[in-house]
Amino acid sequence: GAGVSQSPRYKVAKRGQDVALRCDPISGHVSLFWYQQALGQGPEFLTYFQNEAQLDKSGLPSDRFFAERPEGSVSTLKIQRTQQEDSAVYLCASSPSGQGRDTQYFGPGTRLTVL
Amino acid sequence: TQLLEQSPQFLSIQEGENLTVYCNSSSVFSSLQWYRQEPGEGPVLLVTVVTGGEVKKLKRLTFQFGDARKDSSLHITAAQPGDTGLYLCAGFFSGSARQLTFGSGTQLTVLP
Repeated sequence: GAGVSQSPRYKVAKRGQDVALRCDPISGHVSLFWYQQALGQGPEFLTYFQNEAQLDKSGLPSDRFFAERPEGSVSTLKIQRTQQEDSAVYLCASSPSGQGRDTQYFGPGTRLTVL
Repeated sequence: TQLLEQSPQFLSIQEGENLTVYCNSSSVFSSLQWYRQEPGEGPVLLVTVVTGGEVKKLKRLTFQFGDARKDSSLHITAAQPGDTGLYLCAGFFSGSARQLTFGSGTQLTVLP
């Protein structure tokens, strides 16, 4: 079956530009997570949705980062006025239920490079 | 900030050798997971351990959870080139129901 997909796979932005990263979770999955993975590091939690509700956004590094999941399926992570330190791989994961310790299934990520 | 420390950061070995990767924290995990990540892909779950002292085996991989649930290890027997990848431990700390905290990873290279 189809796994988690993310688009675009690669994004190059000039500093100051806004970007939008898309995540298509596994169909029917209730929970959706965003992570940021810097080069040579493990992923870091950004935010969590249960259906359309954003229940935890404590990992978002600044108010330039915004995530939404309006219909409880596809999610978009938006970064406004990108900075060089935003360069990273952004990973999306989904899990079947609203129980936080379900297995998370990760997408391939979007590699963002800010010049 | 709750941290997970992994060691070693890099490991390069010959095919057939054994290796162990360690994951440590000063905080207690309610559960701990090990993932493997290949270039251009997301992490893939290998195992979840929940009980202190638990040992799980997955073919040539053996995972151990410390008695106090603050540490874990991954042991690979007779490593093969196909084992090459980034190994990540990740844990749910007690009191954190949904935030999965990852270690910084161990980059393993198995040379033929």
